[in-house]
Amino acid sequence: SQTIHQWPATLVQPVGSPLSLECTVEGTSNPNLYWYRQAAGRGLQLLFYSVGIGQISSEVPQNLSASRPQDRQFILSSKKLLLSDSGFYLCAWSTVGANVLTFGAGSRLTVL
Amino acid sequence: GENVEQHPSTLSVQEGDSAVIKCTYSDSASNYFPWYKQELGKGPQLIIDIRSNVGEKKDQRIAVTLNKTAKHFSLHITETQPEDSAVYFCAASIRGGNEKLTFGTGTRLTIIP
Repeated sequence: SQTIHQWPATLVQPVGSPLSLECTVEGTSNPNLYWYRQAAGRGLQLLFYSVGIGQISSEVPQNLSASRPQDRQFILSSKKLLLSDSGFYLCAWSTVGANVLTFGAGSRLTVL
Repeated sequence: GENVEQHPSTLSVQEGDSAVIKCTYSDSASNYFPWYKQELGKGPQLIIDIRSNVGEKKDQRIAVTLNKTAKHFSLHITETQPEDSAVYFCAASIRGGNEKLTFGTGTRLTIIP
């Protein structure tokens, strides 16, 4: 069966520090991968999605970047965090050609 | 692009009563409408979905209805239980390819014992 792992679960970082959130999927090949951010009252905002290794699409201009170094690995990064980067970040995957998303447990980032 | 509106933002229901959450969408080409349930501190989980070729789908106490003409769809939970308390998200997309889901802003449902 397929599983998705996301870490760390919680993270407290000072403004200006770097960020790395990691997501891996097991039990499937060539998944579509997604990073969402969840803010109160704004639902789930799609940040990045990837249809293959090295293929990243950005949905909104922001202080973050994403990379997909391996087929089932998706990384969310920042060189210098801003206060506004605080939030709950969710990784998700889907089968190519399908829209059914399976989400990870999320990473709560607090920038102080 | 697609825009999904969801109402209400919060809903409190007495245990055993029914709860209804409504969503509207803007893109008439959308044909896939899932609902996700998010429990506290967890990622959202798919609970039911509907394709545009049907008007209603039911799974035990949960049902979803779709009105393509009016471009709205609703989630119905009957005989609510405390474990139904969660945040519910609707979404819409064009099925197939790599089209992305557009989510509503969520409804926090509280079941009062």
